[in-house]
Amino acid sequence: GAGVSQTPSNKVTEKGKYVELRCDPISGHTALYWYRQSLGQGPEFLIYFQGTGAADDSGLPNDRFFAVRPEGSVSTLKIQRTERGDSAVYLCASSSHSSGANVLTFGAGSRLTVL
Amino acid sequence: AQKITQTQPGMFVQEKEAVTLDCTYDTSDPSYGLFWYKQPSSGEMIFLIYQGSYDQQNATEGRYSLNFQKARKSANLVISASQLGDSAMYFCASRWRDDKIIFGKGTRLHILP
Repeated sequence: GAGVSQTPSNKVTEKGKYVELRCDPISGHTALYWYRQSLGQGPEFLIYFQGTGAADDSGLPNDRFFAVRPEGSVSTLKIQRTERGDSAVYLCASSSHSSGANVLTFGAGSRLTVL
Repeated sequence: AQKITQTQPGMFVQEKEAVTLDCTYDTSDPSYGLFWYKQPSSGEMIFLIYQGSYDQQNATEGRYSLNFQKARKSANLVISASQLGDSAMYFCASRWRDDKIIFGKGTRLHILP
């Protein structure tokens, strides 16, 4: 697609529920990153994929968080047993990795609210 | 561990003046890249400028330039002739050898008319 698409744009859920956030990167972009951004803060690194594999998942806060990218394109961030502290904007970004710069193109984000 | 530090939580600058946003980093890797992104109140993240650790010259993109001082491990963003539309959050970010990209906490820039 023309840009990075994230769905849903807004998600309100209750504490303890399971949530999936989807990211559709720019076609042909091999690298895909997930970040979490709380109000007034910088994006916090969660995980990044190179192709289908997670190259670095050191930012996932605990085992309730999991992400997949089975075909090297669309990625899903999965959060189990959501807690109020999970409320944030989840940003996805992709890059072509074709140059040294590895410039990220971001989606508009998925705003998650856990009640 | 690699680290990005932005020490200015907020800045107020008069329109048309130049502004410098500070960014320092900490790494032992010889190969890395530094980025600046702008995030207006709409929430989108906009790429501004990039500097590679081996680049000999400071990067420039229109009104944006990067004051890269490798020995001091600093990569300050300079915006010349500031405009009201420059009011936004600005994030410094770094790419390390393993391609992990991390962001600083940001600086909120307010341009005053």
